[in-house]
Amino acid sequence: DQQVKQNSPSLSVQEGRISILNCDYTNSMFDYFLWYKKYPAEGPTFLISISSIKDKNEDGRFTVFLNKSAKHLSLHIVPSQPGDSAVYFCAASDSGANSKLTFGKGITLSVRP
Amino acid sequence: EAEVAQSPRYKITEKSQAVAFWCDPISGHATLYWYRQILGQGPELLVQFQDESVVDDSQLPKDRFSAERLKGVDSTLKIQPAELGDSAMYLCASSPGPSKGYNSPLHFGNGTRLTVT
Repeated sequence: DQQVKQNSPSLSVQEGRISILNCDYTNSMFDYFLWYKKYPAEGPTFLISISSIKDKNEDGRFTVFLNKSAKHLSLHIVPSQPGDSAVYFCAASDSGANSKLTFGKGITLSVRP
Repeated sequence: EAEVAQSPRYKITEKSQAVAFWCDPISGHATLYWYRQILGQGPELLVQFQDESVVDDSQLPKDRFSAERLKGVDSTLKIQPAELGDSAMYLCASSPGPSKGYNSPLHFGNGTRLTVT
């Protein structure tokens, strides 16, 4: 049973427009959420995170929104750039002493010039 | 910026052979993880170390996979014998560990792409 779900496998947007990547989770013990970006033949790179005590976290062009009641989070990229084209993974963990990250399947974002 | 080092980058092996992957985490990072990523899927945890101790290996196929981190620094993941279904990207990650706060992102290496023929 997937605890972190990224139901859309791909997204294509025009350069300069907003990209919205969605993620849902089922485990109510999750309280820390992250987005990773992955280029081919490279490891995932940390992008942005949010704790469950917040509903929004912003870092430059990237903003993550968390809706705890809906168990839903989203990543907004504004404006989108061709270099943002990559696979984006949503991940979550709890606050246990040996907490681990549980990843979704990823979304392939393509930003068209 | 410090990086997680992994080798080799690519490995092709025949089924039933043994294969080993090496990881050197960021200096000072107490927690080390091995993840496996199958194409089209997200990374899945195989084993987690806190210093030299295994704290989670519930998803490690222990009949053929083994992992060690003898001195609490670098780590080796071994598969023997390799099977066709083991073809995947094997990712190593590290984090400062719970003493530095539970919520800290994992830093990943570039992985080892394994192909079993």
